[in-house]
Amino acid sequence: DAKTTQPPSMDCAEGRAANLPCNHSTISGNEYVYWYRQIHSQGPQYIIHGLKNNETNEMASLIITEDRKSSTLILPHATLRDTAVYYCIVRVPFGNQFYFGTGTSLTVIP
Amino acid sequence: GAVVSQHPSWVICKSGTSVKIECRSLDFQATTMFWYRQFPKQSLMLMATSNEGSKATYEQGVEKDKFLINHASLTLSTLTVTSAHPEDSSFYICSARDGTAGSPLHFGNGTRLTVT
Repeated sequence: DAKTTQPPSMDCAEGRAANLPCNHSTISGNEYVYWYRQIHSQGPQYIIHGLKNNETNEMASLIITEDRKSSTLILPHATLRDTAVYYCIVRVPFGNQFYFGTGTSLTVIP
Repeated sequence: GAVVSQHPSWVICKSGTSVKIECRSLDFQATTMFWYRQFPKQSLMLMATSNEGSKATYEQGVEKDKFLINHASLTLSTLTVTSAHPEDSSFYICSARDGTAGSPLHFGNGTRLTVT
C-alpha cells in the first residue's frame, strides 16, 4: 500500500475551517484514500473516504487532486471537540491491511 | 453506521496470567478483523489479521503463541494475551470491515491492558 506523509501537527482557530493535507505520491489507480481520527484513549473514528472524486459527508469534505497524489481533509467549522490525531491511509479495495502512519495532531484553539 | 464493540475497555492482571479481549461487529458481518496495539504517544501498530474460520496472519515480529487470535464467527474475534508480562501493557484495538470493495474499517474503543 502507498505510503502517506502528513504534517506532524497543526493548529486551527475554533469556528474556522481546518484543512489537513496528506501526500500519497505513490498511490496506484485502484487505491482508496481513507481518513480517520483518534481522540485520546479511544479507538480511531472513521471520517470519510474516496477514490477519485471529491466527497462530502456530515463530518467533513475530502478533496483529492486530479493526479491523486495528494488529498486534503476539510473540517468546515472546527470545534474544540475536533482536537485529535488525524490519519490518512491509502489501501486497495480488497486489501486487508490498514497501516497507520504518524498522522497529524490537530489542536483547535478557542 | 457500522458498530464494533470491544470488551473489556480496561483490564488489570498479574504477570503470568492470560487475558482475553473480545471484539464484536454488532450490525454487520465481518469477514476480516484486525488487531492493533498502541503504545503511549505512538501510532497504531497492526498486530494481526483475523479471517473467519481460518488461522490469523501475524505481522512480522508479533509472537503468534503469545497473542492467540480466534475468529470463530462472522461477528466475533478474540485476542488472548497469554502469560502476560508488564511489557505487554498497552492499548489494544480491534477493527472490522465487511466484504464490500473499498469499505472502511470500523474500530472498537480499545482495551487498556495493565500487567502488574
